[in-house]
Amino acid sequence: EPEVTQTPSHQVTQMGQEVILRCVPISNHLYFYWYRQILGQKVEFLVSFYNNEISEKSEIFDDQFSVERPDGSNFTLKIRSTKLEDSAMYFCASSDPGGETQYFGPGTRLLVL
Amino acid sequence: EDQVTQSPEALRLQEGESSSLNCSYTVSGLRGLFWYRQDPGKGPEFLFTLYSAGEEKEKERLKATLTKKESFLHITAPKPEDSATYLCAVPLPSGSARQLTFGSGTQLTVLP
Repeated sequence: EPEVTQTPSHQVTQMGQEVILRCVPISNHLYFYWYRQILGQKVEFLVSFYNNEISEKSEIFDDQFSVERPDGSNFTLKIRSTKLEDSAMYFCASSDPGGETQYFGPGTRLLVL
Repeated sequence: EDQVTQSPEALRLQEGESSSLNCSYTVSGLRGLFWYRQDPGKGPEFLFTLYSAGEEKEKERLKATLTKKESFLHITAPKPEDSATYLCAVPLPSGSARQLTFGSGTQLTVLP
């Protein structure tokens, strides 16, 4: 069964450093998303991406965040200058052209020290 | 203002003891309600989508139902492997139907 994959599974970084989280969405899906979940809190929407551009973003997704689809299979989330409060699980998701059901990857646990 | 509220926060059941989890929502013009299962340290795993009041979906020991104000996830004769956090989510009323807002989840523990 096709699934969303994410790398790395864990990332530790120093405050102020840049990180790139990578995702490979399900192959025939056209909508891509990033969500985050701070430990013990709700899953929160960050951004959605379609046709090589951002379609929606939340207030959390400020100028330090960016997304990119550098090739036909990868979808990345870049955090330019990490802050302590960026520590969270980051989930990538994708959905197919016709449906609204989002399928999530296993997540990347980011720890900012 | 919470748009999705789940109850109870935690539920402990004995194996075989059926129960229901609740998800109430306040968005108008519902464009789908989604149930996910989340195991510790993992991503949400899709279970069901419901679109209209009266709709029901089933999968193994799970059945999801929807009314105009809430959804229930009924668990019949649960097993220890059903232990997980169950999340419900709805799209925001504005914008596309693709920006999901999640509830806090119900942490289910099924004891052998």
